[in-house]
Amino acid sequence: QKEVEQDPGPLSVPEGAIVSLNCTYSNSAFQYFMWYRQYSRKGPELLMYTYSSGNKEDGRFTAQVDKSSKYISLFIRDSQPSDSATYLCAMSSNNAGNMLTFGGGTRLMVKP
Amino acid sequence: EPEVTQTPSHQVTQMGQEVILRCVPISNHLYFYWYRQILGQKVEFLVSFYNNEISEKSEIFDDQFSVERPDGSNFTLKIRSTKLEDSAMYFCASSVTKNYGYTFGSGTRLTVV
Repeated sequence: QKEVEQDPGPLSVPEGAIVSLNCTYSNSAFQYFMWYRQYSRKGPELLMYTYSSGNKEDGRFTAQVDKSSKYISLFIRDSQPSDSATYLCAMSSNNAGNMLTFGGGTRLMVKP
Repeated sequence: EPEVTQTPSHQVTQMGQEVILRCVPISNHLYFYWYRQILGQKVEFLVSFYNNEISEKSEIFDDQFSVERPDGSNFTLKIRSTKLEDSAMYFCASSVTKNYGYTFGSGTRLTVV
């Protein structure tokens, strides 16, 4: 079983739609959860950071963590064409020190 | 907004040659990292560096790889004898604290021919 799994997409939505992106993971030691956005040929850009379970909201973005199900989500409200990118989940644990384990990314396309 | 700067943006090298990839982390950050992303694959951890020494490294980071912070600002990744399979995007990152979301640079695309 892969440690962190993401549906690669592509996910195509119309402008203004609510987007739901998800990751599942197998390592119950993960406690730090992040979402990154990556444009083509660029480095990952941190969007959201969550420690342990719960929700966090920042503008149009909401991150949810359900540790009991080993499932994390990123919701994007009022999606814009500029949100078109690959979204990567990443996570780490105290045991792993500073190492982030990434999902493979979901490619999102928001059509005008 | 502070940035992590990487140079060069693209490097082509012949198999067996040594390459040095350079990074300038954000000035008040204490933790430094190298990750790589082979085309179409996941971003993979290579090494983390704190207090002038390696704190963690992955299985990928074998004896062909080394890191150095030669002065107060630069952070380098050296690959001693490049192989075709080293072709990838190499990302430098830095963070203020452990386990917090890092700031990544734009990457160096390394092509080994």
